[in-house]
Amino acid sequence: QKEVEQDPGPLSVPEGAIVSLNCTYSNSAFQYFMWYRQYSRKGPELLMYTYSSGNKEDGRFTAQVDKSSKYISLFIRDSQPSDSATYLCAMSSSYSGAGSYQLTFGKGTKLSVIP
Amino acid sequence: ETGVTQSPTHLIKTRGQQVTLRCSSQSGHNTVSWYQQALGQGPQFIFQYYREEENGRGNFPPRFSGLQFPNYSSELNVNALELDDSALYLCASSLRGGSNTGELFFGEGSRLTVL
Repeated sequence: QKEVEQDPGPLSVPEGAIVSLNCTYSNSAFQYFMWYRQYSRKGPELLMYTYSSGNKEDGRFTAQVDKSSKYISLFIRDSQPSDSATYLCAMSSSYSGAGSYQLTFGKGTKLSVIP
Repeated sequence: ETGVTQSPTHLIKTRGQQVTLRCSSQSGHNTVSWYQQALGQGPQFIFQYYREEENGRGNFPPRFSGLQFPNYSSELNVNALELDDSALYLCASSLRGGSNTGELFFGEGSRLTVL
């Protein structure tokens, strides 16, 4: 069993739809949870960061972490064609100082938002 | 503020050869991490450097080695290349210390093909 499981999709939705992306994990030591967006031929860029369980909202994006179920989600409201990208969940158990994350990534879910 | 830059962007090598990939960190960042992203997979942590010393390593053999220089730029060296080393190699810089979240800033990667 992989430490982080993520459905690779592809996922295709119409513009304006609510998108739900999910990851499950097996390592109970993970405490830091992130979502990265990766456009084709680009490096990943951080979208959302959450420590431990709970919700976090930033504009059209909401991240949820449920440590009891080892399940994290990213919701995108009013999806736009510019949201078309691969979304990667990432997590870390250790934090020996800012900048020390050693991330374990999911496979990524490829999202297409159709105009 | 310049971002993370990597070179070369693409290269082709044959099995058994050696390769050096280079990374310039984002201005002011003192930590650099390297990740390997195979096609259709999420990035996998190779190692991290802080103050010119290795500060954590993933599940990669010793033929993967690195350096960090006083100006925080970095190199990834891979000896005795194998076909499975074909991947996108991502460099990420971050700032260790202070109150920041430790966000990783990724470059666009070096795509290595081993024939």
